[in-house]
Amino acid sequence: AQSVAQPEDQVNVAEGNPLTVKCTYSVSGNPYLFWYVQYPNRGLQVLLKYLTGDNLVKGSYGFEAEFNKSQTSFHLKKPSALVSDSALYFCAVRDQASGGSYIPTFGRGTSLIVHP
Amino acid sequence: NAGVTQTPKFQVLKTGQSMTLQCAQDMNHEYMSWYRQDPGMGLRLIHYSVGAGITDQGEVPNGYNVSRSTTEDFPLRLLSAAPSQTSVYFCASSKQRTGVKSGANVLTFGAGSRLTVL
Repeated sequence: AQSVAQPEDQVNVAEGNPLTVKCTYSVSGNPYLFWYVQYPNRGLQVLLKYLTGDNLVKGSYGFEAEFNKSQTSFHLKKPSALVSDSALYFCAVRDQASGGSYIPTFGRGTSLIVHP
Repeated sequence: NAGVTQTPKFQVLKTGQSMTLQCAQDMNHEYMSWYRQDPGMGLRLIHYSVGAGITDQGEVPNGYNVSRSTTEDFPLRLLSAAPSQTSVYFCASSKQRTGVKSGANVLTFGAGSRLTVL
């Protein structure tokens, strides 16, 4: 079975400060990991993904995430937050050992609010 | 623009009415799925399909029907709407790569359909 947890419903940060949105996962094999973002009244779009290789993954809009296998975490980070980063962020996982299953499991989402 | 198109964007129904949410994609994606999004619940999978003629249930399938007669279309039917089905519905699709390439099966989402059942 695969699962993902986002422990924070909401993260508040001041513009220009670094931000972190947390994600931990559980899989039986190795994970494929994704971060999706949802802007107000829009569908979700992928920010970045970890498949294999380097543990630090760079994505769109200056975001990055670090895959930590020992801590089973995939936290989303950005060095300097912008007001326009305010959105709902979803972490998702797929177990590489899931065989024919193509279905990712999503976290409950974290609302990021960047204050001017 | 290529992508996933959902209609309608907004719909208000009375309890007991039926309706169909439409979803179409023009990317030749084999995998299509329907999610509902509720506050504090995240995204929950309703039904999915891995190809024309093949559908399966997700986490919350009760009260919903789907069919996949073509690669492009994956409609979601509410047979007898209930207030508990008030939600925002998203259709999502992806390629169906297998093996080591399957990790690249990133979902493309539609813009969503907001449904209110009175």
